[in-house]
Amino acid sequence: EAGVTQFPSHSVIEKGQTVTLRCDPISGHDNLYWYRRVMGKEIKFLLHFVKESKQDESGMPNNRFLAERTGGTYSTLKVQPAELEDSGVYFCASSQEGAWGNEQFFGPGTRLTVL
Amino acid sequence: AQSVTQLGSHVSVSEGALVLLRCNYSSSVPPYLFWYVQYPNQGLQLLLKYTSAATLVKGINGFEAEFKKSETSFHLTKPSAHMSDAAEYFCAVSEGLGRWDKLSFGAGTTVTVRA
Repeated sequence: EAGVTQFPSHSVIEKGQTVTLRCDPISGHDNLYWYRRVMGKEIKFLLHFVKESKQDESGMPNNRFLAERTGGTYSTLKVQPAELEDSGVYFCASSQEGAWGNEQFFGPGTRLTVL
Repeated sequence: AQSVTQLGSHVSVSEGALVLLRCNYSSSVPPYLFWYVQYPNQGLQLLLKYTSAATLVKGINGFEAEFKKSETSFHLTKPSAHMSDAAEYFCAVSEGLGRWDKLSFGAGTTVTVRA
């Protein structure tokens, strides 16, 4: 069974540009989460989808970030325009609905560098 | 809001020695607690989880953790370190109702193993 995949693995962009990150969850997982780790800091929650609906987006830093999950399958996270402080590693995770203890399966992350 | 504190950002142990990684949490409700490990260039992998059953939890690769409510701790141990244990370890707590809620992570502890 394929795990959570993320694309690209690395992205280097200039300040002011737009970047779109993609996450493909494990097939059949209704829950999809985005997290971010800024250099030297904790991994922080960004938002949570249940199928195609946003369940919790309390961690989104500002309106430059837009997440979508069309059809309840893969998800994209767009940053527009990117700022220097957006640099970090963006993780996606998925879990099954009804999975007690909330075991989330993580992807390898996308390392975003904004110059 | 719940939070997690990991004591020590770096731990160095000799091969065959005890590995002890400390984690303290704060929570206003009974928590779900997790330890994840991240090997280089990989995603986070679940080591073990506490979900209000046994207080001593056994995980993969010989790791275990003990939930101590009175100390609000969930320390991770392994009796004998292997070179393959070199990685970054994260303690996390599940917020909210627990079934599919966001995780709050500690800052991570990097383990190096000396031959």
